[in-house]
Amino acid sequence: GQSLEQPSEVTAVEGAIVQINCTYQTSGFYGLSWYQQHDGGAPTFLSYNALDGLEETGRFSSFLSRSDSYGYLLLQELQMKDSASYFCARRGGNNRLAFGKGNQVVVIP
Amino acid sequence: DVKVTQSSRYLVKRTGEKVFLECVQDMDHENMFWYRQDPGLGLRLIYFSYDVKMKEKGDIPEGYSVSREKKERFSLILESASTNQTSMYLCASSLYSGGGAGGNYGYTFGSGTRLTVV
Repeated sequence: GQSLEQPSEVTAVEGAIVQINCTYQTSGFYGLSWYQQHDGGAPTFLSYNALDGLEETGRFSSFLSRSDSYGYLLLQELQMKDSASYFCARRGGNNRLAFGKGNQVVVIP
Repeated sequence: DVKVTQSSRYLVKRTGEKVFLECVQDMDHENMFWYRQDPGLGLRLIYFSYDVKMKEKGDIPEGYSVSREKKERFSLILESASTNQTSMYLCASSLYSGGGAGGNYGYTFGSGTRLTVV
């Protein structure tokens, strides 16, 4: 199976920037997705990178380096509502996703 | 918006029971998936289906089976429930990707079924 490594928890103040890193195995790799999950809620899709570079969606950006088997999610201008768990997910054939263990972000005033 | 509906939010079942978890999506998606989520372990794929009557094992299929008789419905079956199957079960759907690298084909998840086996 795939191995997706993510650090476990980050605490940051409102307005700060947080970067969540993810490394993955390259075999059969098509792209890297990011999902957000609030406590008690369902994961929701944030972004997807198939090619190297940065994808920006509002305050969130995602980056991929295929040569380094590495990606990150950048959360800018943190708000209290960004307190959640964030998962990277490696996309394989048939759109199968293998999720990392997740990273909990806690935003404090 | 795509909607994925899981039939139960909470379930309590006894060890040895046969358990059915139902999932329905309303956007004609080809792919459907069942994951379980446990603290510290993230989401782990149990089974998925990319077409009616087609199914493939995920990473942890033991003790589970699935059924997809209609495109919109994907059922997860616990043949004989055990306490180690106590978990949050999440169903998801997506468009079929065809294996290409392009497009995002993001998943839409249901709200989850929290199953407790006693």
